[in-house]
Amino acid sequence: DGGITQSPKYLFRKEGQNVTLSCEQNLNHDAMYWYRQDPGQGLRLIYYSQIVNDFQKGDIAEGYSVSREKKESFPLTVTSAQKNPTAFYLCASLNRDRGFNQPQHFGDGTRLSIL
Amino acid sequence: DQQVKQNSPSLSVQEGRISILNCDYTNSMFDYFLWYKKYPAEGPTFLISISSIKDKNEDGRFTVFLNKSAKHLSLHIVPSQPGDSAVYFCAALRSNFGNEKLTFGTGTRLTIIP
Repeated sequence: DGGITQSPKYLFRKEGQNVTLSCEQNLNHDAMYWYRQDPGQGLRLIYYSQIVNDFQKGDIAEGYSVSREKKESFPLTVTSAQKNPTAFYLCASLNRDRGFNQPQHFGDGTRLSIL
Repeated sequence: DQQVKQNSPSLSVQEGRISILNCDYTNSMFDYFLWYKKYPAEGPTFLISISSIKDKNEDGRFTVFLNKSAKHLSLHIVPSQPGDSAVYFCAALRSNFGNEKLTFGTGTRLTIIP
């Protein structure tokens, strides 16, 4: 079945450490997105990529970095510069070829906690 | 600046009755709206959408209404079922922006009472 796989489901980080969250999709989608969800808040966009080797900052990119070396992969690194990294992180993808009004497909998320 | 607002954090509805979830937006450039449903520890799943050229879109038990002059949309679920208990997010899009960036509301937790 096609879909988006995020791993790990739960991740713990020590203060001052960088950590990388994995997102892989086999939907052949061009566009991929990273969101963060905090309790009582909506999803906020961290970074997005519309095509391989290109990505753009979202609304809350500070303290995060991404790469898009392959179409199917869009890993997110939470750096030590991110002061409040504890959150639920969601990856999504979109088939842009079918037009703008296609829904984004989401993975099941990674919950990151600080030890 | 919260451009998409869901002012009711939670809603409880009796099974079989109608559930109405509301969403307001401030940016008049938004022209496409989506509703997502989310269970705990899972990613959101797409439910239904509506373009700004329409005022209603229906899919089975789900209907979305759009009032552009009031910058308001609502999701109606009828009849409500226990499996509908989840958090519902509305999201908005500017189709001419070229990047399909979604702006999400804060969500409404719907609980269906058996």
